[in-house]
Amino acid sequence: SQQGEEDPQALSIQEGENATMNCSYKTSINNLQWYRQNSGRGLVHLILIRSNEREKHSGRLRVTLDTSKKSSSLLITASRAADTASYFCAHMEYGNKLVFGAGTILRVKS
Amino acid sequence: EPEVTQTPSHQVTQMGQEVILRCVPISNHLYFYWYRQILGQKVEFLVSFYNNEISEKSEIFDDQFSVERPDGSNFTLKIRSTKLEDSAMYFCASRWTGFSVGQETQYFGPGTRLLVL
Repeated sequence: SQQGEEDPQALSIQEGENATMNCSYKTSINNLQWYRQNSGRGLVHLILIRSNEREKHSGRLRVTLDTSKKSSSLLITASRAADTASYFCAHMEYGNKLVFGAGTILRVKS
Repeated sequence: EPEVTQTPSHQVTQMGQEVILRCVPISNHLYFYWYRQILGQKVEFLVSFYNNEISEKSEIFDDQFSVERPDGSNFTLKIRSTKLEDSAMYFCASRWTGFSVGQETQYFGPGTRLLVL
């Protein structure tokens, strides 16, 4: 499989519910970042977790990183309709570039 | 809050024509990037630029592509002879330098949607 795979590919939940998205990668990483993209728009940086961190919080976002399993998860708590977007993980290898996953399309129904 | 800007937001061109996509990175940033996203696909790295030279490029970034920092604020991507498969959203990104806390984040512009006919 390709690097930076997210699952699920698509997720539909009710407003107020939590949304969990997972991401896997294959190489050693310096850090892993999550981005949001509203339909046809730019990429908005959400949160960055470094390779020596296991968990990080920012508002309603919680990110975990398991370097032994080469995986990360993004949890959005108490989702809102405005959270409807595509979410991408991207890891920075020991170089400079970001390698993006395929993304999870999240739809929050009000 | 400082942000990366890109112009134009949309560009339509004929196959074989040259296009220049423009970006203004965040002012104190020193690393600059171009990525592209073909409709429905992953965001792909094209090139990174630091200290007035290319620091890394992907296989996609062949001889038809070039980047330039013509002045202290702009960062451009030129596609010399566009092909149909160059149709994509092109994103510029920038970050400060180093790998200390707060410096690794790449900030993306809103993108230029390029359509090659």
